[in-house]
This record gives sequence, structure tokens and C-alpha cells, in this order.
Amino acid sequence: DGGITQSPKYLFRKEGQNVTLSCEQNLNHDAMYWYRQDPGQGLRLIYYSQIVNDFQKGDIAEGYSVSREKKESFPLTVTSAQKNPTAFYLCASRSGTGVTEAFFGQGTRLTVV
Amino acid sequence: SQQGEEDPQALSIQEGENATMNCSYKTSINNLQWYRQNSGRGLVHLILIRSNEREKHSGRLRVTLDTSKKSSSLLITASRAADTASYFCATDPGGSYIPTFGRGTSLIVHP
Repeated sequence: DGGITQSPKYLFRKEGQNVTLSCEQNLNHDAMYWYRQDPGQGLRLIYYSQIVNDFQKGDIAEGYSVSREKKESFPLTVTSAQKNPTAFYLCASRSGTGVTEAFFGQGTRLTVV
Repeated sequence: SQQGEEDPQALSIQEGENATMNCSYKTSINNLQWYRQNSGRGLVHLILIRSNEREKHSGRLRVTLDTSKKSSSLLITASRAADTASYFCATDPGGSYIPTFGRGTSLIVHP
């Protein structure tokens, strides 16, 4: 089955730690996106990549980093510089051509302990 | 930055009633999309309407788009308890192909 997979579903981070959230897609999509969702604030764009080996900052990139070494994979690292990382993180992908819908993973809930 | 804003923020109705949600956006678009999110899950695409379309149907869903008013509406007819979810509109501001979402409408359908 084609789709987009995020792992883990739940993640706990200690203060000062870096953690990496995985996002893999087998839809052959060029574009991939990371969003953060907090209660009552909708989805905010962290980073996006429209082609392999290239990515751009979104609206709230500070404290986060990404890589796009393979078309299928777009991991997000939440660094210790992100002071309020507790949130629900969503990864999405989209075909790079034409007007198409985005496909989402099931999300990772990150909690600082 | 938020491109779309949904209205109302919350909507509570009885099963069988119709639910209408509105979305307003700021810049020119080439398409507008509606998504659904069940609690704690990812978003699922419902319907896409292009800027040259005025109305689109999919099952019990009806979407309208008024580009002169920069607004869209999503109508769910004969709602069911299973329709309980949050609904988001998304646009690609200025043809950027970067889906930008509003804050969503939380719909509760009481059985």
C-alpha cells in the first residue's frame, strides 16, 4: 500500500536532548513538509522540501533541522534550542507537479519530560 | 503565517442536521482544499476545488468557492456522529505549492 509513515507515534524528550522524528513515503512524491500543531493554533509550517537535497525554512524553523538525502525520507530533528517542543508533529507529502492534494502521516506526539 | 481562517471555530449539531463551515483567505490562490482530522490523527484530504470552479460535490460534501470574496464554504449534509472531527481549509498562497492551513473548525455531531 502506498502511503506516508511517521514514527514513533509517541516520543518523550528530556531537557537538553535532541530527538529525531522519522517520516517516510512511498508515493514517489517530490515535495515533503513538516508541520507543528498546538491546540487552537492549527498547523504551522516548520520546514519543507520540494526536491531531493534541497529544503527551505517555514514559519517556525528555529530550533529544528531537517535533511532530504533521499526522495522517500524527510527526518525532522528537534534540537535542544527548541524551548517549547511539546506538540503534535505532522509530516505530509505531495506530488511536485500540478494541483494535487497533500497526504499526511499519522503524526508524532512529542512530550518533554 | 495563517493564510486561511475557518469560521466558526466550533460547531455543535444533532445527527441529521447540516453543518456549514466557512474559510476566508488573504492572497490569490490556484486551488483550495478541505481536510478532516480525527482527534490525535493525521489529516485526510476531502475535496479540492480549483480557482476556476465555483462549486464541487463529493458524496455528502458540497464545497463552494468565491474568489471575489476570497472565501469558501464546506457543507456536510445529513451529518452523522462519525463526522465528528476538525475540518481545515488549505490554500497554496500565490501559487507557492506550500499548503497553508487555517486554525480549523471543530465539529461535534451528537447522536
